[in-house]
Amino acid sequence: AQTVTQSQPEMSVQEAETVTLSCTYDTSESDYYLFWYKQPPSRQMILVIRQEAYKQQNATENRFSVNFQKAAKSFSLKISDSQLGDAAMYFCAYRPKYALNFGKGTSLLVTP
Amino acid sequence: NAGVTQTPKFRILKIGQSMTLQCTQDMNHNYMYWYRQDPGMGLKLIYYSVGAGITDKGEVPNGYNVSRSTTEDFPLRLELAAPSQTSVYFCASSYRGNTEAFFGQGTRLTVV
Repeated sequence: AQTVTQSQPEMSVQEAETVTLSCTYDTSESDYYLFWYKQPPSRQMILVIRQEAYKQQNATENRFSVNFQKAAKSFSLKISDSQLGDAAMYFCAYRPKYALNFGKGTSLLVTP
Repeated sequence: NAGVTQTPKFRILKIGQSMTLQCTQDMNHNYMYWYRQDPGMGLKLIYYSVGAGITDKGEVPNGYNVSRSTTEDFPLRLELAAPSQTSVYFCASSYRGNTEAFFGQGTRLTVV
């Protein structure tokens, strides 16, 4: 079974600061995809960033970037210049072929 | 620009009742999914489909049934509702197995 582990149930960051959310996954596959999704209180699932396992270069999307360590099976999300609107649940997801497998999520609190 | 549409948004069922959660997408996606999200947990896959006429079980299929007669629609049927099925249900779709999944707004179901 493939599992995704997010070891930080809650994280807190001050506005304008940087925070890193961790994620590890277990797989025997060599080709797969990794995602970070954001879920605000509206409960809508919003894609933040994606990473292809065959790419060594870490993905970036504006203030969001990842640190992808394939050998360590680690996929952390870094949020720079945090904003109040970043407050949400963040889910790491692993996708080998068909469906996404999600971690339990990290609740991010952003303080003024 | 509808994307993935789920109905209803909220529903209360009595134990033993049945209902169908509707899901439709207008993006011509091949892959469709049903997830459930319990409090404090990530999303767990119930069923998925890789195309019309093809469905397969996910991690937690017991108590549910699906069908995929068209590319656009992927209804989820609950037979004999039980309190353990109280959850938020998400439908999602993607073009291929390696692309991002787009999510509906979710259905909050309570079984009493």
